[in-house]
Amino acid sequence: AQSVTQLDSQVPVFEEAPVELRCNYSSSVSVYLFWYVQYPNQGLQLLLKYLSGSTLVKGINGFEAEFNKSQTSFHLRKPSVHISDTAEYFCAVSRDNFNKFYFGSGTKLNVKP
Amino acid sequence: DTAVSQTPKYLVTQMGNDKSIKCEQNLGHDTMYWYKQDSKKFLKIMFSYNNKELIINETVPNRFSPKSPDKAHLNLHINSLELGDSAVYFCASSQGGPGTFGSGTRLTVV
Repeated sequence: AQSVTQLDSQVPVFEEAPVELRCNYSSSVSVYLFWYVQYPNQGLQLLLKYLSGSTLVKGINGFEAEFNKSQTSFHLRKPSVHISDTAEYFCAVSRDNFNKFYFGSGTKLNVKP
Repeated sequence: DTAVSQTPKYLVTQMGNDKSIKCEQNLGHDTMYWYKQDSKKFLKIMFSYNNKELIINETVPNRFSPKSPDKAHLNLHINSLELGDSAVYFCASSQGGPGTFGSGTRLTVV
């Protein structure tokens, strides 16, 4: 079975500072990895995905993530955040059939002016 | 055009009632899902359908009954609603890749 751990429930950061949101997963088989963003009272929007190939994945809104198989991590990073990045971020994994996605508990990113 | 649309967006109802949430996707995806997001924002899969067939049922109480009349629709019917059913329910669809999510239905049972 898969599990996804997001170590930080909340991350406060000042505008224009860099940020890293951590995600670790456990799985005995290969998985696909995703980051989603949820703005207040909205659905989930895909930020980026790792399916195969380069371990550094670039997504929308200037976010990127690096797949590290040895550390079973898929941390999300942005070099300079904006107020508009304030949202809840979810890491998710799925296996090759995509029958279900396992989500982490979410990290609330709070960008302060 | 909304890719995955759910109705209603908000639903307030009394305990013991029966209610339905509808979901439609216009992406041509084969797989559709229902997820429940609780008050702590934790997202958990409830059901997964592929081409109208149930493939995942994550030990959801049988008061919850999904129905897929065709591969573009996956509705969720809930009988005898309980206070603990209050949550945001998300529909999603996928075609061998990341899921596309609807905007959610906030269900409040009073």
